[in-house]
Amino acid sequence: NAGVTQTPKFQVLKTGQSMTLQCAQDMNHNSMYWYRQDPGMGLRLIYYSASEGTTDKGEVPNGYNVSRLNKREFSLRLESAAPSQTSVYFCASSPRGAGNQPQHFGDGTRLSIL
Amino acid sequence: AQRVTQPEKLLSVFKGAPVELKCNYSYSGSPELFWYVQYSRQRLQLLLRHISRESIKGFTADLNKGETSFHLKKPFAQEEDSAMYYCALQDSGGYQKVTFGTGTKLQVIP
Repeated sequence: NAGVTQTPKFQVLKTGQSMTLQCAQDMNHNSMYWYRQDPGMGLRLIYYSASEGTTDKGEVPNGYNVSRLNKREFSLRLESAAPSQTSVYFCASSPRGAGNQPQHFGDGTRLSIL
Repeated sequence: AQRVTQPEKLLSVFKGAPVELKCNYSYSGSPELFWYVQYSRQRLQLLLRHISRESIKGFTADLNKGETSFHLKKPFAQEEDSAMYYCALQDSGGYQKVTFGTGTKLQVIP
């Protein structure tokens, strides 16, 4: 019963390097999300995908790209990493549709940019 | 635009004391509100949602549309309640965009 799985759990990058964070869910959810969590800032939405084939910008999309590869997978890419992108990244998913559907979170990826 | 405000970054209470974590929101439509909790070294997880009007681990939260608030309350704090708590507002439209507050760290002192 994996739920939302994120890889890797930890990563250290040098400024300018690129990286893709992977996220997969096995709950047949339509909606998927990427957040970053910074001290004193809470969780901020980077991008979300309401369904396979669609993506939309969140609150802090600059410096990131996403791909909704299929219904299960939603990846986040840093093309040229910057120290300001040092953060903990969370992926989440939820069923789509009317009603009060909560989000299910992964364990997070702790990313450090030197 | 939707916004969620949690005014306290840290709330320290003694074991057995009442707890109230504040959450205020700004939203033009009918809000869908949640409380999420993150225990040390664990993933975020749903604590409760307003539509369920349930009590989870002794916590309750009432939606007050007049005051645009969704405060989380527990009459008697326990040490295991120490965690980070996030209030979240979810768009009631089809995309279910979610806005989180900045979080409140609850510290229960033995």
